[in-house]
Amino acid sequence: DTGVSQNPRHKITKRGQNVTFRCDPISEHNRLYWYRQTLGQGPEFLTYFQNEAQLEKSRLLSDRFSAERPKGSFSTLEIQRTEQGDSAMYLCASSSLLAGVLDEQFFGPGTRLTVL
Amino acid sequence: AQKVTQAQTEISVVEKEDVTLDCVYETRDTTYYLFWYKQPPSGELVFLIRRNSFDEQNEISGRYSWNFQKSTSSFNFTITASQVVDSAVYFCAIVDSGYALNFGKGTSLLVTP
Repeated sequence: DTGVSQNPRHKITKRGQNVTFRCDPISEHNRLYWYRQTLGQGPEFLTYFQNEAQLEKSRLLSDRFSAERPKGSFSTLEIQRTEQGDSAMYLCASSSLLAGVLDEQFFGPGTRLTVL
Repeated sequence: AQKVTQAQTEISVVEKEDVTLDCVYETRDTTYYLFWYKQPPSGELVFLIRRNSFDEQNEISGRYSWNFQKSTSSFNFTITASQVVDSAVYFCAIVDSGYALNFGKGTSLLVTP
């Protein structure tokens, strides 16, 4: 049983560049979430998918942030025109929603982004 | 909006001491879910427990126990006989709108030998 995986684990980029992160959830999970965690803070919710549908994206931090889950399996998070304030850990999580019962979210190891 | 407050920023204890991490939540919903997660130095969040608002039974899992009290809106976490491996940041969280986890700022626990 493999857990949630994220790639890359670390990304260093220059201000103004675009970056894309990938998340592979636990295979039987139909929900996938993205969070951001800055130093000394708890994770902050960004967006989530149920299967391939993005059901909430109003909490993405700006229009430079976008996410996709094209076939209901892996997901990508893209940040365009990166800024130094985007430096953070980006976490992906997945869970199952069966018969309306809310299951716990399992987190991946995260992608640490550094914007120079 | 749903939120949790973890007033303790850092706690330091000596191995074998008991330690309680506090979590106070705010919600207007009658049905809600609370969670505790552990984030060790390696960085990966580890799920510890989920509690729904209908179940006020306290839970014990080995050296870990949780005290859920609706009367005080608290969901506190106790580690009995702490060990060095318990050193981590512990987060309390509440589900918002049925999907998003709203985390507290976390309590950093340091257990020294």
